Amino acid sequence: NAGVTQTPKFRILKIGQSMTLQCTQDMNHNYMYWYRQDPGMGLKLIYYSVGAGITDKGEVPNGYNVSRSTTEDFPLRLELAAPSQTSVYFCAISTGVGYNEQFFGPGTRLTVL
Amino acid sequence: ILNVEQSPQSLHVQEGDSTNFTCSFPSSNFYALHWYRWETAKSPEALFVMTLNGDEKKKGRISATLNTKEGYSYLYIKGSQPEDSATYLCASPYSGGGADGLTFGKGTHLIIQP
Repeated sequence: NAGVTQTPKFRILKIGQSMTLQCTQDMNHNYMYWYRQDPGMGLKLIYYSVGAGITDKGEVPNGYNVSRSTTEDFPLRLELAAPSQTSVYFCAISTGVGYNEQFFGPGTRLTVL
Repeated sequence: ILNVEQSPQSLHVQEGDSTNFTCSFPSSNFYALHWYRWETAKSPEALFVMTLNGDEKKKGRISATLNTKEGYSYLYIKGSQPEDSATYLCASPYSGGGADGLTFGKGTHLIIQP
């Protein structure tokens, strides 16, 4: 039972390139989240999903897209990478209600040059 | 967007000493308060989720209290050990139900000095 896995662990992109950050879970939780962590800042919510086929924007969605075709997978797509997207990205899952903890993946460290 | 504040930003503590730090959050429409521990090069792990005013939770040498009427929570570490060095995050659901994610404070970075 791996919990939440993310790939890749590290990536360097050039400005304007595209990439997809993968997130997969085996805990059968309906709710999945993408956060980014910038130095000196708290985790910021990018997008979230309450179940397969349903996604919604979080606090900082600009420059990103998501899809949720299965319960297990919640990929995050960057279409035109910009230096401002240099960050550490975390995928998290939960049962969905606010009094249940979130489980985080190991993170993807992305640098855009 | 909720405003979750943590203080201090960083803290150096001698091994064996006890310490505490604060999380402030809006007291209106309170639903839950989460504490996470985040070690370097790892991912955040949940310590506590607290929902009731006056609640106190404990895990080993770490405990937390909650005051929802005045909008603060304290995290205490008793007899600090080097392995307690980490960033401690608090968070609250964006909305009452919590399905739309958590808003996090910037964290308290704790360094335990041997």
